[in-house]
This record gives sequence, structure tokens and C-alpha cells, in this order.
Amino acid sequence: GESVGLHLPTLSVQEGDNSIINCAYSNSASDYFIWYKQESGKGPQFIIDIRSNMDKRQGQRVTVLLNKTVKHLSLQIAATQPGDSAVYFCAESKTGFQKLVFGTGTRLLVSP
Amino acid sequence: DAGVTQSPTHLIKTRGQHVTLRCSPISGHKSVSWYQQVLGQGPQFIFQYYEKEERGRGNFPDRFSARQFPNYSSELNVNALLLGDSALYLCASSPTRQANNSPLHFGNGTRLTVT
Repeated sequence: GESVGLHLPTLSVQEGDNSIINCAYSNSASDYFIWYKQESGKGPQFIIDIRSNMDKRQGQRVTVLLNKTVKHLSLQIAATQPGDSAVYFCAESKTGFQKLVFGTGTRLLVSP
Repeated sequence: DAGVTQSPTHLIKTRGQHVTLRCSPISGHKSVSWYQQVLGQGPQFIFQYYEKEERGRGNFPDRFSARQFPNYSSELNVNALLLGDSALYLCASSPTRQANNSPLHFGNGTRLTVT
């Protein structure tokens, strides 16, 4: 399949490690944030979301942290697996709109 | 259950031509959005349609247009194609009008190449 991002920041980890992917968002008025995973040749796949009235939200093997003071979002993946290899995008939105504004993405490479 | 489906998967057009891309949302979803993803970048918002009306438009020229049908499927039309229109065009659906009520679910896109 085609590469989603040829010149993206890359995070390389070993299988079993914990991964942390960071994102700086742009609009202080944004109050809804989502992480998507995009594999080569596929569309973005929803991972986890968080609203601005929360600082942390956990899913299965994933945790999203939100720091509104510095407009920073992070995605933590526990016990990273080779199947987690993909490009990860954060996206922001605000109440009343459905438009998502995506970040530039980070490529995660997981070595067995 | 079927996810968001898009057709065609790949398309090659010549500059100046017109193209129509199609999208079928997840059953029960009334909102359809279109995004353009240039290689190496995140998706950029083009349009949102909800209940067959345009609810939002991104910073794209008037050569881009879209519509939503009574069955909630949608078409994206691009006229007078330019080389810079080469991209992956993504369709996303949602049951609600607002993003923070339900996340967008994306299809696998149509890869458009303009030569």
C-alpha cells in the first residue's frame, strides 16, 4: 500500500514498550479532541476521544491526556504491538461544529 | 455492519477534467463530511452535509461542490482539475451534526491522481 506520510516525525519503539505520541493543538476554543490511527492505504480509524472538561481518559491499552494550559494532547499506548505501527493524528473541534482540524501526524514504527 | 464505503478506490484524470466521487455512510448516519488528504499531511476539511443541507465548508475553491441525497449518500464533484488536486479524498459519517456528540467514522478514501 501507499505510505500515508513520507516526511512525518517518527517514533520507533520495541514490541512491548509503552509509546507516547504528542500533539500540540492550535485553537484555545477547541473543546473536543480525537486521536485517529491511519494505516497505509486506509482511512483514519477512531481510537479515543476526550472533551475539554476532562484531563485524562482511558481505553483499551490507550490513554489520552489533555493539558489545556499549554494546548497539548498526548496518546499513550501500553505494551505496543507490531499491529500498532501506523500514522497517528490528533484532531480538534469545538462545540457547534463538526469540522475536525487535524495535526500533522506521527509515524509509529514497532519492531518485533 | 458495513462501514463508510467510497467509490471508486482509485481514479486517474487529466488536468481540466471533471470528477465525481461517491460515498455511502454507515447505516443510520445522517451526517457526511468530505476531507482532502495530500500525501504527507493530515486530512483537511472540505464540506459537511447534514440532513441533505450544507452545514460547513472549508477553504476550498468553488470548483469543489457536493451534495447529499435523500438516502444520506453523498457525492463530491471537482471541476477543472488541477495537478494540485491529486490527493486521497476521504468521506466520513456521523449520526449527529456535531463532532463532540459522536466521532467521525472514515472510509478508506478515493485516491485521485491528476496528470
